[in-house]
Amino acid sequence: KAGVTQTPRYLIKTRGQQVTLSCSPISGHRSVSWYQQTPGQGLQFLFEYFSETQRNKGNFPGRFSGRQFSNSRSEMNVSTLELGDSALYLCASSYDRGQLRTEAFFGQGTRLTVV
Amino acid sequence: KNQVEQSPQSLIILEGKNCTLQCNYTVSPFSNLRWYKQDTGRGPVSLTIMTFSENTKSNGRYTATLDADTKQSSLHITASQLSDSASYICVVSPYGSASKIIFGSGTRLSIRP
Repeated sequence: KAGVTQTPRYLIKTRGQQVTLSCSPISGHRSVSWYQQTPGQGLQFLFEYFSETQRNKGNFPGRFSGRQFSNSRSEMNVSTLELGDSALYLCASSYDRGQLRTEAFFGQGTRLTVV
Repeated sequence: KNQVEQSPQSLIILEGKNCTLQCNYTVSPFSNLRWYKQDTGRGPVSLTIMTFSENTKSNGRYTATLDADTKQSSLHITASQLSDSASYICVVSPYGSASKIIFGSGTRLSIRP
């Protein structure tokens, strides 16, 4: 069974640009969550998508957005990049059937560097 | 405010030795508590997951304990190996809001030969 796949693994962008990251969850998982990890702030929750709808959102500016497709694949977009957006962006998927939640499985992450 | 605090921040031990990492949380009520291992530059990998009613959970040389009364958890690593060098992250899911999980800042463990 394939794990969570994130693409690309590494990305370098300049300030002001926008970027789109992709996440393919484990087959059958309908919940996809995104996290930002920086050395100073640790892991921080960005948002969660379930059945193509954003179900929860963390405390990040509107420059950070996402979406989920009917096949549960998700994309995250960051517009008007700032130097502080440099981080490891992690995606996690979980099987979510009503109140039954399983552990989250993480992808390898996308390392974004803004210069 | 829901928080998860881990100690120590970093730890260096010799190969073959045991160690214990601590996690204190204020999240209440909570759905589950998880320990993850994260190698540098890679995504976290789940080690153990415990609900509030469980006291201990083992995964090979890793044993996690949970005291819901004192809101403390520990991760014990037995007979450490060089491959255990990683960050260990304690994660707590609040009850009723399982997606808004709260991460500890992690313990950076280094195993020296």
